[in-house]
Amino acid sequence: GAVVSQHPSRVICKSGTSVKIECRSLDFQATTMFWYRQFPKQSLMLMATSNEGSKATYEQGVEKDKFLINHASLTLSTLTVTSAHPEDSSFYICSASPVGGGTSSYNEQFFGPGTRLTVL
Amino acid sequence: GNSVTQMEGPVTLSEEAFLTINCTYTATGYPSLFWYVQYPGEGLQLLLKATKADDKGSNKGFEATYRKETTSFHLEKGSVQVSDSAVYFCALSGRGGSNYKLTFGKGTLLTVNP
Repeated sequence: GAVVSQHPSRVICKSGTSVKIECRSLDFQATTMFWYRQFPKQSLMLMATSNEGSKATYEQGVEKDKFLINHASLTLSTLTVTSAHPEDSSFYICSASPVGGGTSSYNEQFFGPGTRLTVL
Repeated sequence: GNSVTQMEGPVTLSEEAFLTINCTYTATGYPSLFWYVQYPGEGLQLLLKATKADDKGSNKGFEATYRKETTSFHLEKGSVQVSDSAVYFCALSGRGGSNYKLTFGKGTLLTVNP
């Protein structure tokens, strides 16, 4: 249980185009989904937090107009990289927290397998 | 703010060797602590967790104890296997609010040779 999928797993695009990445919770409903960016040999950097039906909350330094996040349902969130440039090339990972899956201590996150974006 | 510092790798061991990956943290209040593992080409999987001081998380032979006095959560395994080769991330989660954000360390690449 608690499987999160991402699509596509790899994408190569030309500079200036937009790319959409989907994150789905396959066997549970997710109140909250998170989007991370992972640079080579570095840690995961939280980009934004999205709650179903409301606007995403972006971390400091992340451009809202460049990285559009939509959390239209309890099982799907999308990240659109608009007008992509080579510096946007990275590994993007999403995670999802189940509805009612929190405790007083923490709210577990289940991670997708990631999407490798290469912008030429 | 919250931060996690973990031992930088890479770490290379022979099969059946003892493993320690150090992790220390800075946080306000009483965070929950986690170790995640990322196998090649895959996403992160939760390996173990501890939610309060002196708790010991354990899974698949790995252990880590939440030490509040030293703000540490070191990962240990008595006898590693080739299949343990992966990147290991220490992380913490604050409490309160509707979103429990994770703060990650930089990750430690472990390679176990036969």
